[in-house]
Amino acid sequence: ETGVTQTPRHLVMGMTNKKSLKCEQHLGHNAMYWYKQSAKKPLELMFVYSLEERVENNSVPSRFSPECPNSSHLFLHLHTLQPEDSALYLCASSQDLIAVKETQYFGPGTRLLVL
Amino acid sequence: AQKITQTQPGMFVQEKEAVTLDCTYDTSDQSYGLFWYKQPSSGEMIFLIYQGSYDEQNATEGRYSLNFQKARKSANLVISASQLGDSAMYFCAMRPDSNYQLIWGAGTKLIIKP
Repeated sequence: ETGVTQTPRHLVMGMTNKKSLKCEQHLGHNAMYWYKQSAKKPLELMFVYSLEERVENNSVPSRFSPECPNSSHLFLHLHTLQPEDSALYLCASSQDLIAVKETQYFGPGTRLLVL
Repeated sequence: AQKITQTQPGMFVQEKEAVTLDCTYDTSDQSYGLFWYKQPSSGEMIFLIYQGSYDEQNATEGRYSLNFQKARKSANLVISASQLGDSAMYFCAMRPDSNYQLIWGAGTKLIIKP
């Protein structure tokens, strides 16, 4: 199943670096999500896009900057990160946002280590 | 408050046995959806099964079934004839009608013993 792809799969960066995470979905979905999964913490929703419009920004620090150029692609731009930002970053998509039955399909994630 | 509780941090199960993973939820919404996901050590979150609050029958998908008890607000996942490949983290999640965000449980780590 390659419905949602993410690159890179692993990333090591220094606190002064700038990098970007990429997510692409091949499912024809209209909504896309970024999640952060830290060790021993529940999944945290970071950003939600619907039809390329951002609909949610869950008090995420400005060092994380999302971009959704079209309904198939989602980026997360990273700059001046902190060691506590080290985590697994998961991208997901769903057909829409409205119905309770909307299933989110996830990519394989990017494991980020900030040194 | 809207909340998902998974009370089993970890479980060991013998291969080929059935396993039940517990999930209770709390919401005041009448309409909601319940989801189970599997996360192997590779990291990908894999959708397993969905149950709607108005669905009269328990959902089934292959070896997975959802034991939905609405009055008790529980949505336990049952895996029949467990396999070594079932070893993973399992997450229960809820999508209430009043909030498009999924509410996640803390997960249960399942280890299948040969």
